[in-house]
Amino acid sequence: GESVGLHLPTLSVQEGDNSIINCAYSNSASDYFIWYKQESGKGPQFIIDIRSNMDKRQGQRVTVLLNKTVKHLSLQIAATQPGDSAVYFCAENIQGAQKLVFGQGTRLTINP
Amino acid sequence: EAQVTQNPRYLITVTGKKLTVTCSQNMNHEYMSWYRQDPGLGLRQIYYSMNVEVTDKGDVPEGYKVSRKEKRNFPLILESPSPNQTSLYFCASSFVLGYEQYFGPGTRLTVT
Repeated sequence: GESVGLHLPTLSVQEGDNSIINCAYSNSASDYFIWYKQESGKGPQFIIDIRSNMDKRQGQRVTVLLNKTVKHLSLQIAATQPGDSAVYFCAENIQGAQKLVFGQGTRLTINP
Repeated sequence: EAQVTQNPRYLITVTGKKLTVTCSQNMNHEYMSWYRQDPGLGLRQIYYSMNVEVTDKGDVPEGYKVSRKEKRNFPLILESPSPNQTSLYFCASSFVLGYEQYFGPGTRLTVT
């Protein structure tokens, strides 16, 4: 499969446990954030987004938390499954820049 | 099915031989973008387009050209490829600039 990062931070979790993936963003003017999932050999896939006027947003088995005070974003995956194995990265939209800036990513591996 | 397609998926070429990577989307998106993904550097924007005949440079445009003659297509052109352009390339599209983007499956380019 494709290698998207040789030295990515790695998170290993047991199947069925909850996973928390963290992201520190760079610009206090960022007003929109996205989490993407990238499986081996595939393009990034949208998971969930959140605007800066929110602290939390929930999707199916995923929750994104936004702490603007410390410029921190987290993705929580409930009851992690083997299919959740992938690289996860956050992206921020810096207000006025009209583009997404992507983080480096975290590789999530699931232990059976 | 809503999708972004890229061709070819894999390409090995030699220095200086012009090549084009095609990108097409069927979602009637106005905004399209090209990224390259390299280990340790994440996703970096090469060029983007806000509509037909409207293109602009991203963060790493040197050595690349693009065109947007039709809304659905956004080809990436390497007039004279060099080994430092060996990378994984992604095309993406979205309704709104800087927000949720849909990615293609990627093109692995090797320039020898």
